[in-house]
Amino acid sequence: EIVLTQSPATLSLSPGERATLSCRASQSVSSYLAWYQQKPGQAPRLLIYDASNRATGIPARFSGSGSGTDFTLTISSLEPEDFAVYYCQQRSNWPRMYTFGQGTKLEIK
Amino acid sequence: QVQLVQSGAEVKKPGASVKVSCKVSGYTLTELSMHWVRQAPGKGLEWMGGFDPEDGETIYAQKFQGRVTMTEDTSTDTAYMELSSLRSEDTAVYYCATPAELVGVFDYWGQGTLVTVSS
Repeated sequence: EIVLTQSPATLSLSPGERATLSCRASQSVSSYLAWYQQKPGQAPRLLIYDASNRATGIPARFSGSGSGTDFTLTISSLEPEDFAVYYCQQRSNWPRMYTFGQGTKLEIK
Repeated sequence: QVQLVQSGAEVKKPGASVKVSCKVSGYTLTELSMHWVRQAPGKGLEWMGGFDPEDGETIYAQKFQGRVTMTEDTSTDTAYMELSSLRSEDTAVYYCATPAELVGVFDYWGQGTLVTVSS
């Protein structure tokens, strides 16, 4: 079973700053990694799929990179609405299952 | 555009079962692979299971096997998730989610259903 480990657990930044969030897989997931944003009381929203592709309607300040076991979500210049919890997610083929990381909380400094 | 609308909050006693529904619009259920993800209060996301179109069967996370059943009513485009032998640790928001236009990721989500297990 593939385990996803996100770091840091909490990231405190100010609007306008650059955010870098990490997701590490316990074994290679190729480029099959996604990122989601979740705000309090809301369902998660897909941001990035296949490591680096932005989902429909996602602003260009969000970007993803990486392959294999190490992945990064970068928010180039934080807007007030970006403060939320971010999760990475992968789908493995054997066994066939979906896994989420434990999340990174991005909070206002 | 897919819309997923879930049933309302539930309060159950330990040992009971709960059945949560997820009504699809914008697509037919046969065009989608429905999955269920839960989130305990203050905790992260946990995949419970879903339909695997490559194998043509529903797959369940090992943690829930034997206790969860996911079904579909294609005549009403409604998916169901039933969890039995409830315990307090099952208190969570349960989401239906689907990889409607992509593969291996959940691009559409229901609004969530809070299930509270309490004596």
